[in-house]
Order: sequence, then structure tokens, then C-alpha cells
Amino acid sequence: NIVLTQSPASLAVILGQKATISCTASESVNKFGINLMHWYQQKPGQLPKILIYNEFSRAPGIPARFSGDEAELNFTLTIEPVEADDVATYYCQQGLTFPLTFGAGTKLELK
Amino acid sequence: EVQLKESGPGLVQPSQTLSLTCTVSGFSLTDYSVHWVRQPPGKGLEWMGVMWSGGSTAYNSALKSRLSISRDTSKSQVFLKMNSLQTEDTAIYYCTREREDNVMDAWGQGASVTVSS
Repeated sequence: NIVLTQSPASLAVILGQKATISCTASESVNKFGINLMHWYQQKPGQLPKILIYNEFSRAPGIPARFSGDEAELNFTLTIEPVEADDVATYYCQQGLTFPLTFGAGTKLELK
Repeated sequence: EVQLKESGPGLVQPSQTLSLTCTVSGFSLTDYSVHWVRQPPGKGLEWMGVMWSGGSTAYNSALKSRLSISRDTSKSQVFLKMNSLQTEDTAIYYCTREREDNVMDAWGQGASVTVSS
């Protein structure tokens, strides 16, 4: 199984500053040149919502404050500038092999 | 509008079988695949299995011996059945629509299931 290691487990950021969440895959998630790494946001008491798919593509309606990147199996979700509405837990998920797997989540709070 | 809605019993006794229904609208089950994902209280997300648009299935090997997913396309419903439930199966169970490349672009509100006697 592909293991996704997310860090940090929790993150406190000042309003308007940058938040960086990391997700390291235990092996490649690349399919024909596209990294099948997806990011979800789950606000407290709510269902998860897709933010970023295929490493860096924003889902419809997702603002440009959210961006995805990759370097050597290390995937990054960046939120800049952070807004109050971004308080949530963020999960990465690989879509290459079964079983599909998720990272353990990163809880974003405001400092 | 794309919608998914889970339904089923909120309480299941240990060793019994869980049966959940996901009723979808706004899309066809023959065009999109539907996944099941669960989330224990205060914990992360676990992929359980998928009903492909073509009608075949795939399961998480950790659950495969207990899990079955089926569908009724005429009713736009996908069914999950899992037997031999234990307390650790207590979770919110979500059905989700797959956009492509196993991206889950729409989620149901979730069905809360408690396993307890």
C-alpha cells in the first residue's frame, strides 16, 4: 500500500500569513506524467471537500489562495493568505493504486 | 445538482451486519463510479471500496472478507454491506462520486453508525 505521511499534524497560522502542509508518499503516484495526488478540506462537523486534484489543479470554485506543488514524492498544499474560513483539517489522498490511501490529516488553526 | 445521500441504521449490534444505501441524483451510476469512505470519531479517512460505473467493484483488502458493494441503477442506488461488525467499525460512512483518477468530487452528508450492544 502507498503510505502518505502528512506533516505537521497541527499548524497554527496568523491571519493573512502562509500555511504549508506537506504530504510525503512512500512511492511514486505518477500516471503518464501526472501525479495523482489530491487534497481535501474538512471543516469542523462537515464533510470533506475536494480542493486540489492531480497535484496542482484547483477544483471548481476553489480560490487561487490554495495551491499544490511537488518535489521528489513530497507534495505540498499552500494556503496564502490564510483566512478565518480556512480553519479545517486537510487530507492528502493518492489516486494511483488500490487501496486508495489518505494522509492522517493536518489541523489548521489560527494563531 | 449532484447529490448523494446515505441512509441506514444508526446503531448496529456487535457481530451483526451493516447495510447502507447511497441514493444519488444529478448523475447516472453508469457514467460515474461511487466510492465508500469511512471516518471513525475524531480520526482520519479510510477508503473502503468502489462500485465502478461499469458495474464491477474493488475493495480495501483490509475489509474485503467482510465487505460487499452492489447497486441498482434503475433506482440510482449503491449498497454497502459489511458483516461481523465490531466496535472499531463505529464511524461516519460516506459515499462519494468519483470525477476521474479516483478524485472524489462530491460527498454525501455521511451516515453515522455506532456499533454497540
